[in-house]
Amino acid sequence: QSALTQPASVSGSPGQSITISCTGTSSDVGGYNYVSWYQQHPGRAPKLMIYDVINRPSGVSNRFSGSKSGNRASLTISGLQAEDEADYYCSSYTGNSIVLFGGGTRLTVL
Amino acid sequence: QVQLVQSGSELKKPGASVKVSCRASGYTFTRDAMNWVRQAPGQGLEWMGWINTNTGNPTYAQGFTGRFVFSVDTSVSTAYLQISSLKAEDTAVYYCARDLGIGWYLDFWGRGTLVTVSS
Repeated sequence: QSALTQPASVSGSPGQSITISCTGTSSDVGGYNYVSWYQQHPGRAPKLMIYDVINRPSGVSNRFSGSKSGNRASLTISGLQAEDEADYYCSSYTGNSIVLFGGGTRLTVL
Repeated sequence: QVQLVQSGSELKKPGASVKVSCRASGYTFTRDAMNWVRQAPGQGLEWMGWINTNTGNPTYAQGFTGRFVFSVDTSVSTAYLQISSLKAEDTAVYYCARDLGIGWYLDFWGRGTLVTVSS
């Protein structure tokens, strides 16, 4: 199975909003409400930011939000801050107890 | 609080085997599943599979069958990843990560174990 498709990079200025897309198929993203998003700073372990498409774990800023339409999921970060600069990965359940990650997106805060 | 403590970095020769451990604390180990994720140098995350910590039943992603084995020792709340017949392309950071079994997401991660395969 191929990785979910994410843009390689996105950028934005402090205070702006950005959106990272995650495109799959009807067999993964479009077929289940099990999309999650992870933030990874260099040299650190990934951190869960969004689960089940729209839910934020306790402690994650409400500047982070998730959505889904058809086979495409999105992560939106509003009010960009320097600390948001990191790699972001989406993942989706694909059925048969299998999960797939996206290729990752590097966010640069200008 | 939930903690996943992984074993230290390993340097192995091609053809050798390695066993990475992930010791859990702060929750009931057998309640939640344990996943394994690989990240090669400069690359993205690859989901390797997961193990039911209660039954010991593993599920492997495509590309991680044969040489990769997940196991658990519930007496010490520890999950293991064993890789045999190591190749240079197995060089990566390997993460263990918990999933609660109520959705397909990983809420706590270990810090990762770097496995380097080099002659």
